[in-house]
Amino acid sequence: NAGVTQTPKFQVLKTGQSMTLQCAQDMNHNSMYWYRQDPGMGLRLIYYSASEGTTDKGEVPNGYNVSRLNKREFSLRLESAAPSQTSVYFCASSEWLREKLFFGSGTQLSVL
Amino acid sequence: KQEVTQIPAALSVPEGENLVLNCSFTDSAIYNLQWFRQDPGKGLTSLLLIQSSQREQTSGRLNASLDKSSGRSTLYIAASQPGDSATYLCAVRPVGGTYKYIFGTGTRLKVLA
Repeated sequence: NAGVTQTPKFQVLKTGQSMTLQCAQDMNHNSMYWYRQDPGMGLRLIYYSASEGTTDKGEVPNGYNVSRLNKREFSLRLESAAPSQTSVYFCASSEWLREKLFFGSGTQLSVL
Repeated sequence: KQEVTQIPAALSVPEGENLVLNCSFTDSAIYNLQWFRQDPGKGLTSLLLIQSSQREQTSGRLNASLDKSSGRSTLYIAASQPGDSATYLCAVRPVGGTYKYIFGTGTRLKVLA
């Protein structure tokens, strides 16, 4: 049982480049989330998807877009990367919005 | 605005000691609270989830308590082991507003052999 799988694990981008972070879960969960983790700031919610077909902004959505491709997959896209987006990104899922969160292992992104 | 605080930021204890990690939150209107463990370079693993109507939850050597009225939760670890070394984070799910958990910045625990 893989749980929540994120790819890639590491990525280095130049300012202005674009990329998509992929996330898939195999637990048949309805809700999925993208967080970023920065030193001293805890985890902050970027976007979430309460259920298949819906997406909503979280706390820090600027500079990002998401796609809930199907029930299993939730991708995060950086259209024009900026150094301020250097962070560790985590995907998470839960059965519904108030339930236990399951996290992926993270993507360490550096924007030069 | 809900804020979650975890003090201390770091803690070192000798193996075998019982210890308590603290989590404080500013607004008692929450659906639940979760405690997570994060190992270096890894994702978060949910340890315990306490619903707002519950006072505590137990899993093995871990016991989490919740006092909503005072805005406090504690994670008790019995007979600590070096394998317990990790960062422990708490998160609350506020009532109303956007559907998100508010995370504390964590307590980095080191258990010395």
